[in-house]
Amino acid sequence: EDQVTQSPEALRLQEGESSSLNCSYTVSGLRGLFWYRQDPGKGPEFLFTLYSAGEEKEKERLKATLTKKESFLHITAPKPEDSATYLCAVQISGGYQKVTFGTGTKLQVIP
Amino acid sequence: GAVVSQHPSRVICKSGTSVKIECRSLDFQATTMFWYRQFPKQSLMLMATSNEGSKATYEQGVEKDKFLINHASLTLSTLTVTSAHPEDSSFYICSARKPTMSSYEQYFGPGTRLTVT
Repeated sequence: EDQVTQSPEALRLQEGESSSLNCSYTVSGLRGLFWYRQDPGKGPEFLFTLYSAGEEKEKERLKATLTKKESFLHITAPKPEDSATYLCAVQISGGYQKVTFGTGTKLQVIP
Repeated sequence: GAVVSQHPSRVICKSGTSVKIECRSLDFQATTMFWYRQFPKQSLMLMATSNEGSKATYEQGVEKDKFLINHASLTLSTLTVTSAHPEDSSFYICSARKPTMSSYEQYFGPGTRLTVT
């Protein structure tokens, strides 16, 4: 069965304290891995898509990387406005469009 | 960009009534839209996949007669919760797949908070 596991469940950082969020996956064949940010009471906001091991993408203070078994979302010098729940999701190869989401990491950045 | 809207953002209804939620892709055409449900402090649960001009594909355990989905155009999908009950109270989020050369990126609407009294 396809599984997506995110860790930690919650993370509390001081402003400027860099860290990484983990998304490990077990799927029959990966078509794409997605990272989203979700603020309370809102829909997820698309951040990145990664397709193959070794791929990296950056956006402001965020950098996403991908290996054959996991993805990391690195947050460099976070600010309070980076506080949110970060979700990763995977789409398996084979033509079906279903995306499986992890349970998310709730990040809190303290001033 | 890729903007998806949902209407209404919040709705309160009485038990036994039906509620319709609209999902629109504003700046692109979406042949496929998805409907999710999210409980507090939990991740998104896919309810159904909606393809324009055809019947929706429901996930296991989702009652198709209760959650009616219509995808009549390339920019609009609707979810109707029929004969709503308090246990249907939840946060409903739609997403639309933006067609690209190699990607299946989904862009989400802002969600609809449904409360059934």
